[in-house]
Amino acid sequence: DGGITQSPKYLFRKEGQNVTLSCEQNLNHDAMYWYRQDPGQGLRLIYYSQIVNDFQKGDIAEGYSVSREKKESFPLTVTSAQKNPTAFYLCASSLRENEQFFGPGTRLTVL
Amino acid sequence: SQELEQSPQSLIVQEGKNLTINCTSSKTLYGLYWYKQKYGEGLIFLMMLQKGGEEKSHEKITAKLDEKKQQSSLHITASQPSHAGIYLCGADIGGGSQGNLIFGKGTKLSVKP
Repeated sequence: DGGITQSPKYLFRKEGQNVTLSCEQNLNHDAMYWYRQDPGQGLRLIYYSQIVNDFQKGDIAEGYSVSREKKESFPLTVTSAQKNPTAFYLCASSLRENEQFFGPGTRLTVL
Repeated sequence: SQELEQSPQSLIVQEGKNLTINCTSSKTLYGLYWYKQKYGEGLIFLMMLQKGGEEKSHEKITAKLDEKKQQSSLHITASQPSHAGIYLCGADIGGGSQGNLIFGKGTKLSVKP
């Protein structure tokens, strides 16, 4: 079945540690996105990538980093520089300017 | 101020009742997407609207994009408990957005049996 997967579903991190969230899609989509969702808030764009080996900062990129070495994969690293990393992280993919399909999300909690 | 406003923020309806959720943009909408989210889960795509005056339906859910392309409404007919969740609108506001969307804060819908 085609789809977009994120792992792990829940992640706990100690302050000062970097952590990487996985996002994989087998939909052959060119574009991939990372969003952050906080309670009562809409989705805010962290990073996006329109093509392999290229990515752009979104609205809240500070404290995050990404890579796009393969079309299917777009991992997000939450660094220790991110001041308030506890949130629900959503990955999405799309065929350029069409609807975005979302993964199930990863809930990150900093202890 | 928020570029994409959703109203109401939350809604509780009796099963079988109709309801409407609105999404208003401060800019022209080049594409409007409706999603549904269960708490703690990803977003499920419902519908996409692109042309002013466009209307789409899926089962008991109808979405419209107004002629001036700055507002969309989502209407649910004869609501059921399965309709409960958070409804989010996402918008392509153009200007070289490259397919990036901005999202409203969501409308939380509860349906009482």
